[in-house]
Amino acid sequence: GAVVSQHPSWVICKSGTSVKIECRSLDFQATTMFWYRQFPKQSLMLMATSNEGSKATYEQGVEKDKFLINHASLTLSTLTVTSAHPEDSSFYICSARDPSGANVLTFGAGSRLTVL
Amino acid sequence: QKEVEQNSGPLSVPEGAIASLNCTYSDRGSQSFFWYRQYSGKSPELIMFIYSNGDKEDGRFTAQLNKASQYVSLLIRDSQPSDSATYLCAVVRNGQNFVFGPGTRLSVLP
Repeated sequence: GAVVSQHPSWVICKSGTSVKIECRSLDFQATTMFWYRQFPKQSLMLMATSNEGSKATYEQGVEKDKFLINHASLTLSTLTVTSAHPEDSSFYICSARDPSGANVLTFGAGSRLTVL
Repeated sequence: QKEVEQNSGPLSVPEGAIASLNCTYSDRGSQSFFWYRQYSGKSPELIMFIYSNGDKEDGRFTAQLNKASQYVSLLIRDSQPSDSATYLCAVVRNGQNFVFGPGTRLSVLP
């Protein structure tokens, strides 16, 4: 099946710094990727939809200037958390639709961000 | 009313029993329904999807869909301790957007 690779798995940074998370579709092309955030014991919350070659679509309440999304190629989307603060500490997960046609979302392994 | 609702649990069942997980959704136009399993600290992994009313079986798992009642369930037969996880129900509407429920935490007791 489709494989989505996400890197890094864990990242710890100081408050005020920026962190980039990469999401790659390994064996297929993904014109659209989805970024989710999950706080402890809560469900997945869609942050934005990343569109190859165009601007990302952000969900209501998500600051586009704080969570920069770039989808420069058909296999890579990046999420940059700018000027990170402790409240940004969360589990960030990317996903893409399986190209098999079953309309299934395949998730990356997730990135655990801790902001000190 | 939330779009996708699930009992948060925890749902505790003894090993070998049937675990029944339920999900209701509000949008009658929803077209596709998914069950994902998420272990603590890990990302979700697909268990099953179902598009049509009725039952769909895959090994120990059976998904049941009733569009008239806007209800989808997941049955896990012969539950194992390794099935202990959070189960997320997801619904696709407009052919595009996945909407996830809050998840039900299942604990299978050895």
